[in-house]
Amino acid sequence: ETGVTQTPRHLVMGMTNKKSLKCEQHLGHNAMYWYKQSAKKPLELMFVYNFKEQTENNSVPSRFSPECPNSSHLFLHLHTLQPEDSALYLCASSQGVSSGANVLTFGAGSRLTVL
Amino acid sequence: AQKVTQAQTEISVVEKEDVTLDCVYETRDTTYYLFWYKQPPSGELVFLIRRNSFDEQNEISGRYSWNFQKSTSSFNFTITASQVVDSAVYFCALSEGGSNYKLTFGKGTLLTVNP
Repeated sequence: ETGVTQTPRHLVMGMTNKKSLKCEQHLGHNAMYWYKQSAKKPLELMFVYNFKEQTENNSVPSRFSPECPNSSHLFLHLHTLQPEDSALYLCASSQGVSSGANVLTFGAGSRLTVL
Repeated sequence: AQKVTQAQTEISVVEKEDVTLDCVYETRDTTYYLFWYKQPPSGELVFLIRRNSFDEQNEISGRYSWNFQKSTSSFNFTITASQVVDSAVYFCALSEGGSNYKLTFGKGTLLTVNP
């Protein structure tokens, strides 16, 4: 596979469930990101990892827990979510975070519905 | 704080028409980067172009062209002879200086090209 792959593409969960979103990049990039895309709102940066280290947590509630075991994989663990957390969660990667010339490559997203 | 405004929420055109998507940005930095991404129905954001603040030359790539004007803080995107496959949501984004990963996105413009 090439590019950035996200699984599952669709997820429906109850407010008491625990689930995880997975992202894998095959680009040899060192930085990975989680973005949230809600209806009629701009994309919101959630987390940034650079060389497996978290460099950004954009005031995300603790019910979202990221994990980056290596530069190629990124997870978003979900627990005790609220209906307003329903959104498209996009994963992205880039070569690094230190150069303004880097371009983000996005996955197709995981569409999450919280009942 | 940086901001990106895409005033056009939705645009509908007939195939072969030219269409311009507007983008106005705000930033206090003198060094910044501007981007356009395309999000087709499949979900992933596809990178189209990146410009830095020191390069005001307009760019043309096939049917796509971009007009960057610092005097009006605008970075508009024109599709010439639109096609049905151009139907997507288009996002303009801005990153400041060294924080390339902190993309500030506009709310997007939904372009529908009808046959």
